Amino acid sequence: DTGVSQDPRHKITKRGQNVTFRCDPISEHNRLYWYRQTLGQGPEFLTYFQNEAQLEKSRLLSDRFSAERPKGSFSTLEIQRTEQGDSAMYLCASTPPARRNNEQFFGPGTRLTVL
Amino acid sequence: AQTVTQSQPEMSVQEAETVTLSCTYDTSESDYYLFWYKQPPSRQMILVIRQEAYKQQNATENRFSVNFQKAAKSFSLKISDSQLGDAAMYFCAYTGTASKLTFGTGTRLQVTL
Repeated sequence: DTGVSQDPRHKITKRGQNVTFRCDPISEHNRLYWYRQTLGQGPEFLTYFQNEAQLEKSRLLSDRFSAERPKGSFSTLEIQRTEQGDSAMYLCASTPPARRNNEQFFGPGTRLTVL
Repeated sequence: AQTVTQSQPEMSVQEAETVTLSCTYDTSESDYYLFWYKQPPSRQMILVIRQEAYKQQNATENRFSVNFQKAAKSFSLKISDSQLGDAAMYFCAYTGTASKLTFGTGTRLQVTL
């Protein structure tokens, strides 16, 4: 059984470029979450999917951010026109159906550096 | 909105000793869950322990236990017989009617010989 995987693990880009990250959740986990973690802070919620439906988006998710989960399996997070303030660790997590006390299983994260 | 506060940016404990990490939260919800997650350096976050708000009994998992004080909105983590492998960032987290997690700012735990 593989855990949550994220690709790439590290991304360095220049300001203004677009970047896309991928998250593969644990098989049969129908809920998938994206969080952003800046240095010295706890993760902050960005958005989540139940199957292919995007059910909630944080106000942190500006117009430059978009997330998809087209077939209810893997998800992508795209950042357009990156800014230096986007530099952070982007974490993906998944959880099995139903209960809110279900553990969220986290991936290793994608560390984004915007120069 | 729910908030989670961890007032100890760093803590240190000697191997084999006991340490307590503090967490307070604020919510108007009556049904919620609290978690402690561990994030080792350059490794992914893993769940340490969870507590359902409706349960009066404090959760325990081997060397890890919590002191859940619902009226005071306090949720501390006690690590007994500390080991070098316990060194990590520890995050307190909350989930209520929304399924997302709200995290505190974390406590960095150092374990010394």
